Amino acid sequence: DAGVTQSPTHLIKTRGQQVTLRCSPKSGHDTVSWYQQALGQGPQFIFQYYEEEERQRGNFPDRFSGHQFPNYSSELNVNALLLGDSALYLCASSGGGPQHFGDGTRLSIL
Amino acid sequence: DAKTTQPTSMDCAEGRAANLPCNHSTISGNEYVYWYRQIHSQGPQYIIHGLKNNETNEMASLIITEDRKSSTLILPHATLRDTAVYYCIVRGRSYNTDKLIFGTGTRLQVFP
Repeated sequence: DAGVTQSPTHLIKTRGQQVTLRCSPKSGHDTVSWYQQALGQGPQFIFQYYEEEERQRGNFPDRFSGHQFPNYSSELNVNALLLGDSALYLCASSGGGPQHFGDGTRLSIL
Repeated sequence: DAKTTQPTSMDCAEGRAANLPCNHSTISGNEYVYWYRQIHSQGPQYIIHGLKNNETNEMASLIITEDRKSSTLILPHATLRDTAVYYCIVRGRSYNTDKLIFGTGTRLQVFP
């Protein structure tokens, strides 16, 4: 049984570009949450999707948006990339119990 | 802001018990205590959670004080592979309070 999978594992972009990160939840999970982890810090909550709707949102600008598909997989989109967006982006899925995390996408902005 | 406070770092000898403390003095009655750990270059790994009773699973034990203002995660026989950052998190039950708010955690170093 595969856990949470994220793609790509690493990505390099330049300022001003746009990026899309992808997440497949653990089997049986219907809720997907996204987190941003800067170097040396704990993960910060971005938003959560359930039934294809954004259910909760953290303190992130509108440049950060997402989507959930009928098969529960999810995408995180970031527009107009800034140097400060360089981070590890983590996806977590849940189905009423604990959230389980993928190993993240390392995004570097040049 | 995180609702928990943890020591920044701790050391433990291999084979000994690692006891990681956490203070959560503002926890409310419907909030759980969760523990995760993050090994370098990996995503956080769920360890254990509890409401008010002590809990044990194959990875660890969780001891919650009677007033629920603090807890201790116990790794009974630490190994080198337990070296990681450990996060103590207070999490609500309802759908709009179940986001995880991470602090900076405790960096546990297990030495031979």
